[in-house]
Amino acid sequence: EAQVTQNPRYLITVTGKKLTVTCSQNMNHEYMSWYRQDPGLGLRQIYYSMNVEVTDKGDVPEGYKVSRKEKRNFPLILESPSPNQTSLYFCASSLNVWGARGYTFGSGTRLTVV
Amino acid sequence: KNQVEQSPQSLIILEGKNCTLQCNYTVSPFSNLRWYKQDTGRGPVSLTIMTFSENTKSNGRYTATLDADTKQSSLHITASQLSDSASYICVVSANTGNQFYFGTGTSLTVIP
Repeated sequence: EAQVTQNPRYLITVTGKKLTVTCSQNMNHEYMSWYRQDPGLGLRQIYYSMNVEVTDKGDVPEGYKVSRKEKRNFPLILESPSPNQTSLYFCASSLNVWGARGYTFGSGTRLTVV
Repeated sequence: KNQVEQSPQSLIILEGKNCTLQCNYTVSPFSNLRWYKQDTGRGPVSLTIMTFSENTKSNGRYTATLDADTKQSSLHITASQLSDSASYICVVSANTGNQFYFGTGTSLTVIP
């Protein structure tokens, strides 16, 4: 089944403790992206990747890092999480940036930083 | 500035009734427009995707329209069901660069 898989689904952590949220897609998509979703603000892009080893900042990149060493994986790294990073996170992928054949989202990761 | 605006912000309807959600955009150059359904706490799921040349597309009880001249789209839901309760998000992509523009969504609640 074609899908985007995020792990974990739920995560509670303490301020300053490094964490990684994994994202993997099995559709050979070039384009991958991370979003956070907060009440009343909709989906906001954190980072995106056009292809392997090509990443760039989205609208809200502060406090996050990403890497794209393989085409299928696009992990989101929080080096020193803070409470304002408590949010619902989504990974998404598309064949290319124009997404003419669809833009697929993962099931989400709910992160709480205390 | 490229933007996507959706209305209404929220909507409550009775089961079995029809409703229409609106999406206005200023994204240029336009590539395609999608409607997504997002259940609470879940990832958005694509309902329809429309390119410049398409002005109507249906997916079961969901019908999307696109007027590329006025840069407006609508999502019509027919004979609503309780399971239609969700947030509906309009996403417009441009033909240049990294360009997916998201609306903030319409929260639909269908009540018995």
